[in-house]
Amino acid sequence: GIQVEQSPPDLILQEGANSTLRCNFSDSVNNLQWFHQNPWGQLINLFYIPSGTKQNGRLSATTVATERYSLLYISSSQTTDSGVYFCAVKSGGSNYKLTFGKGTLLTVNP
Amino acid sequence: ETGVTQSPTHLIKTRGQQVTLRCSSQSGHNTVSWYQQALGQGPQFIFQYYREEENGRGNFPPRFSGLQFPNYSSELNVNALELDDSALYLCASSGLPGHPSGANVLTFGAGSRLTVL
Repeated sequence: GIQVEQSPPDLILQEGANSTLRCNFSDSVNNLQWFHQNPWGQLINLFYIPSGTKQNGRLSATTVATERYSLLYISSSQTTDSGVYFCAVKSGGSNYKLTFGKGTLLTVNP
Repeated sequence: ETGVTQSPTHLIKTRGQQVTLRCSSQSGHNTVSWYQQALGQGPQFIFQYYREEENGRGNFPPRFSGLQFPNYSSELNVNALELDDSALYLCASSGLPGHPSGANVLTFGAGSRLTVL
C-alpha cells in the first residue's frame, strides 16, 4: 500500500516563528488532507489539497502531486498551534481508505 | 449544522470483554468510517460504511465489526478484547451531496478512548 512519511517528527518553536512541515507519499494520490490533532484528540481538517496551493489565514499548503509531496506552512505561530499535524492520503487504488503519516508534533512556546 | 459526535468518550474494559462504540455522523453525510489510533501513531483505517453496508475494510480481524443505521449513524463493535486494542477510536463522516470535495473531505469526531486492562 501507499507509504506516507512526515518530517520533522518533532518541532519546537518560539511564538511568532514560522515553520514548514513536509509530507512525502509513495504513489499517486487523488485525495490529500492535512489535519491538526488537538490535545483532546480531535482531528481538525485544515486543508483538502490533492494538488495546488491553498491559504487559510496564517496557514497555507502546497501539494506537488507529480513530485509526490505536500508542504504545510505555519506563519507567526501561536501557542494554540501546538499539537500533532497529520498528512493523510488516498491513492488511486483505494476509493475509501485514508492512509495517515505518523505526524509532526509541534510545540509552540510563549 | 452539528458535527460528528461519538460516545462514550472514555471507557475501561478487561481482556475478553466486548465493547460497542457509537457515532452520529455530521448532518447530510452518508458515509461513515472508523479509525484506530494507538498512542504516538497516526490513525489506522478499520472500515467504512455506505448505505448500511461495509464497502471497505483495513487490516483488522473479524472481531472488529460494525453497523450503519438508516439515519447514517454507526456502531463499532469489538469482541474478545485484547490489551493491544487499547487506543483512541475515531469516527469520520463524509459525503455532502453536490459539493465538489464533499465525498472526499472527512470530518472526524473527538473519539472514544478505550483502555483494556
